[in-house]
Amino acid sequence: QQPVQSPQAVILREGEDAVINCSSSKALYSVHWYRQKHGEAPIFLMILLKGGEQKGHDKISASFNEKKQQSSLYLTASQLSYSGTYFCGTESANSGYALNFGKGTSLLVTP
Amino acid sequence: DAMVIQNPRYQVTQFGKPVTLSCSQTLNHNVMYWYQQKSSQAPKLLFHYYDKDFNNEADTPDNFQSRRPNTSFCFLDIRSPGLGDAAMYLCATSRDKGANQPQHFGDGTRLSIL
Repeated sequence: QQPVQSPQAVILREGEDAVINCSSSKALYSVHWYRQKHGEAPIFLMILLKGGEQKGHDKISASFNEKKQQSSLYLTASQLSYSGTYFCGTESANSGYALNFGKGTSLLVTP
Repeated sequence: DAMVIQNPRYQVTQFGKPVTLSCSQTLNHNVMYWYQQKSSQAPKLLFHYYDKDFNNEADTPDNFQSRRPNTSFCFLDIRSPGLGDAAMYLCATSRDKGANQPQHFGDGTRLSIL
């Protein structure tokens, strides 16, 4: 079951903030976040395992609301290097340990 | 330094001509995955190996096969490529199975069909 990401695309000026959401119709074991630049491999950002868990490094953080079966990725004071497509990958009861990826959110940070 | 290596980066084949994509890893991870990613779409899991245990996704076409001769290498064979198989193919690994295991991706092989 593919998670739903929103928004599909967002354009920011450098220094602005953004939130990307990921929601599922199934109970989730974990949520993974990846960033992919055009023509490159997806790069792992973070995993959230427990309801209420929040994680972050640098100015990118995420939260996981287990009851609502959703996760949000927060990009604060965005930098040009944050541009790319952000995917959430979810693991649920019937996915085994494989991830179902959302369709992605395209983020463009402009000077 | 490269940990998940895919060869070649670009592959062109003819309609119906078998093609093999390769992936190697220096991480000694137990799990290896093959994903298909079409333009502006999410990676779609084709199959994965936990050690030698092969797991095929239900909607992976029979045209796609995989081999994992040892821990380090995994191959994707497309027996009779069609135009719809043109895509980026991503190999990924994780240390083990479980919810806390990040996946490490290779740079992908972009497959074109003439």
